[in-house]
Amino acid sequence: GNSVTQMEGPVTLSEEAFLTINCTYTATGYPSLFWYVQYPGEGLQLLLKATKADDKGSNKGFEATYRKETTSFHLEKGSVQVSDSAVYFCALIVGGGGNKLTFGTGTQLKVEL
Amino acid sequence: NAGVTQTPKFQVLKTGQSMTLQCAQDMNHEYMSWYRQDPGMGLRLIHYSVGAGITDQGEVPNGYNVSRSTTEDFPLRLLSAAPSQTSVYFCASRTDYNEQFFGPGTRLTVL
Repeated sequence: GNSVTQMEGPVTLSEEAFLTINCTYTATGYPSLFWYVQYPGEGLQLLLKATKADDKGSNKGFEATYRKETTSFHLEKGSVQVSDSAVYFCALIVGGGGNKLTFGTGTQLKVEL
Repeated sequence: NAGVTQTPKFQVLKTGQSMTLQCAQDMNHEYMSWYRQDPGMGLRLIHYSVGAGITDQGEVPNGYNVSRSTTEDFPLRLLSAAPSQTSVYFCASRTDYNEQFFGPGTRLTVL
């Protein structure tokens, strides 16, 4: 089956630090990969996506590259802000239509001044 | 567009009571789904629908019913609430490109 593994949190960083949140996956077939962000008290929002190997998704200074050889989709940001404090979810889907998104368990990020 | 809306935002029930969580979307998405979010367990799929009149079970369907009479609406019914159903519930709809939009959530407590 399909699964997503994320690094355990919480991750605590100082403002302007470099961020990496690891995500690895197993999938039957060729998945599309996503990062979602959940701010306190809100629903999840799509942050970025990549649909094929070597694609790089980017948004709001965050980036992630679809690495088929290592089955990974690590999230990075060069300089985090306090406003980036949230829970980040990696997810995948194989195909579309009625197929289901598979989510990781989420990684909480806390950014301090 | 309002996106995905959910009501109520908060609800407290007693064990054995029933209720319906409402979900609506105005983006004309065919695919809709319900998740519950519990600490340390991420998101778990309860039920989903690929279009009006079509529903199917997810990972944790027991104790919940759904129906999809229109493209816009996808209500979730709790038949006889139990403390194990205390959770935050999210409704979502999805584009043809697999981009999923979530509602703001309903925080349910069952006493």
